[in-house]
Order: sequence, then structure tokens, then C-alpha cells
Amino acid sequence: GDSVTQMEGPVTLSEEAFLTINCTYTATGYPSLFWYVQYPGEGLQLLLKATKADDKGSNKGFEATYRKETTSFHLEKGSVQVSDSAVYFCALSGGKNTGFQKLVFGTGTRLLVSP
Amino acid sequence: EAQVTQNPRYLITVTGKKLTVTCSQNMNHEYMSWYRQDPGLGLRQIYYSMNVEVTDKGDVPEGYKVSRKEKRNFPLILESPSPNQTSLYFCASSSGLAGPRYFGPGTRLTVT
Repeated sequence: GDSVTQMEGPVTLSEEAFLTINCTYTATGYPSLFWYVQYPGEGLQLLLKATKADDKGSNKGFEATYRKETTSFHLEKGSVQVSDSAVYFCALSGGKNTGFQKLVFGTGTRLLVSP
Repeated sequence: EAQVTQNPRYLITVTGKKLTVTCSQNMNHEYMSWYRQDPGLGLRQIYYSMNVEVTDKGDVPEGYKVSRKEKRNFPLILESPSPNQTSLYFCASSSGLAGPRYFGPGTRLTVT
């Protein structure tokens, strides 16, 4: 079946450092890819998405490019802030096996940013 | 304000005592779903609903029931909770299957 693999955390960075969180996926067809963020004590919020190969999703300084050749959707930010500390989830929907009725999530990567 | 609400936010109960977790959305979304979040496993779908009176199983439906009598509400029912249902539960809604999901704040359930 379809699956998503994320790098294990926690990722610990100092403020203004460059962030990369790796995400790779296994799916047939043409899934849509998402990054969600979960702040402490809150639900998940959609951070960005990409619906086809070579699309770049971006929001709040975060970016991710849908790379079909490497089946990847890595999350990047040029300069992190303390307020970016959260758990980040990569997810897909619409693969041939999964369809659109659910999101398939990775296990999440915790980001800790210190001043 | 567009939102998905869940109640209760925290619940501690005992094995076998029936409980219901409510979910409500104010965005007139057709699609709603329930997920559980467990350490090391990410989020897994329990049930989903495409519209009123249309529901189907997700990946981990055992021990759960749902109903969709009104468009805005999608309660999750545990008829006889067991300790392995201790988890963090999220409700989500979207305007269509391919649309972004809006998640509720979560319900932390502990079954002793």
C-alpha cells in the first residue's frame, strides 16, 4: 500500500538556522502531497501542498517541491524561529492504492528551535 | 470563524463504559473523518463519511462506530472501550475528497 517515510526527530536547531526535514513516499499513480504542522496541544494545520510533479508548495517561509523522480517532498525553511517549534507531518492522498478518501501520514518529525 | 470542534478534549474512563466523542464543523463540508494518533505510528484513519448517511471504514475501525445524521456532526462512538483504544483522536473535515483537511483540536482518551 501507499506509505510515507519521514526522518526521525527531534531536529534541534538554533534560531535563524536552515531547516530540512526529509520526506519520501511510496505510491502508484499521481498522489497529492502535504505538509501539516502540529503545535503543542493543538490539532493539525495544513502548512503547504503540491498536487503534481515539480509543483512547489510554499507558506510562511516554508517550501517543498514534489519530486517524482526521487519520490520526495522535503520541507525546507531558510531561517527558523523559536515559534516554528512543532511536530511536522508529511502526508499523501490520491495514490492509486489509497484514493482520496484518506490521508496517509508519516510518523512526524519534532522540531525544536532554541533562541 | 471556520472551525472543527471536538468534545471532550480530555477523557479518562474505564474498560467497557460506553462513550461518545462529538465532532462538529461549521463550514458545510461534505467530507468528515476520524483519525487516531499514536507514538511512532503517526495518524491512522478510523472512519470517514462522504456525506449524510454515507460512512465507511478506514484502516483501524475495530471497536469504533460512527454516525452521520446531520452534515455538521460526526460523532465517534466506543461501545465497549478497551485500554488499547487509549490514544489521541482527531476529527477532520473538507469540502471535497481532494481538498485540504481541517482538523479539530484533538481528544485525549485514556481507558483504564
